[in-house]
Amino acid sequence: GAVVSQHPSWVICKSGTSVKIECRSLDFQATTMFWYRQFPKQSLMLMATSNEGSKATYEQGVEKDKFLINHASLTLSTLTVTSAHPEDSSFYICSASPDSVSTEAFFGQGTRLTVV
Amino acid sequence: GENVEQHPSTLSVQEGDSAVIKCTYSDSASNYFPWYKQELGKRPQLIIDIRSNVGEKKDQRIAVTLNKTAKHFSLHITETQPEDSAVYFCAAALSGNTPLVFGKGTRLSVIA
Repeated sequence: GAVVSQHPSWVICKSGTSVKIECRSLDFQATTMFWYRQFPKQSLMLMATSNEGSKATYEQGVEKDKFLINHASLTLSTLTVTSAHPEDSSFYICSASPDSVSTEAFFGQGTRLTVV
Repeated sequence: GENVEQHPSTLSVQEGDSAVIKCTYSDSASNYFPWYKQELGKRPQLIIDIRSNVGEKKDQRIAVTLNKTAKHFSLHITETQPEDSAVYFCAAALSGNTPLVFGKGTRLSVIA
């Protein structure tokens, strides 16, 4: 089956620093990838849609200048949390599906971000 | 936009009993309805999904029903086992490769 790999699986950073999270589709091409955020004991909420070769589309309330998304190739999207603050601490998870068929969403392992 | 409501938020059942989780959605354009099981700190795991051209789908102890007219779909787990204990999420989307809108989740506890 299709595999999506996300790194790192966990990261601790100091307030004010930036953190980059990578999402790779290992065995398929994905023009579009999605980034979700999940706070403790809550549901997954879509943050943004990452589009290869063009600007990401952000959901209402998500600051595009704080959460930088780059989708430079058909197999890699990155999410950079800039000037991180403790309230950004969350579980970030990406998903993608093969371009060729409309199948299920394949999720990365998720990244647990803790800002101290 | 799409809004997905999920009930109950917590559910406790005795081992061997059945568990039912219900979801409603608002956007009649949605055609894809997956169910996920998520364990603490892990990615959501697809357990079953259904598309709008089907009313019911079954996979061993798990079944999903869809009523497009009423805009609701349900997850049925029979003969529950302790390892079924987890958080379950329903979701709705236009298709399998479009953004998912999740319900708030149901914490299922199966008591041995």
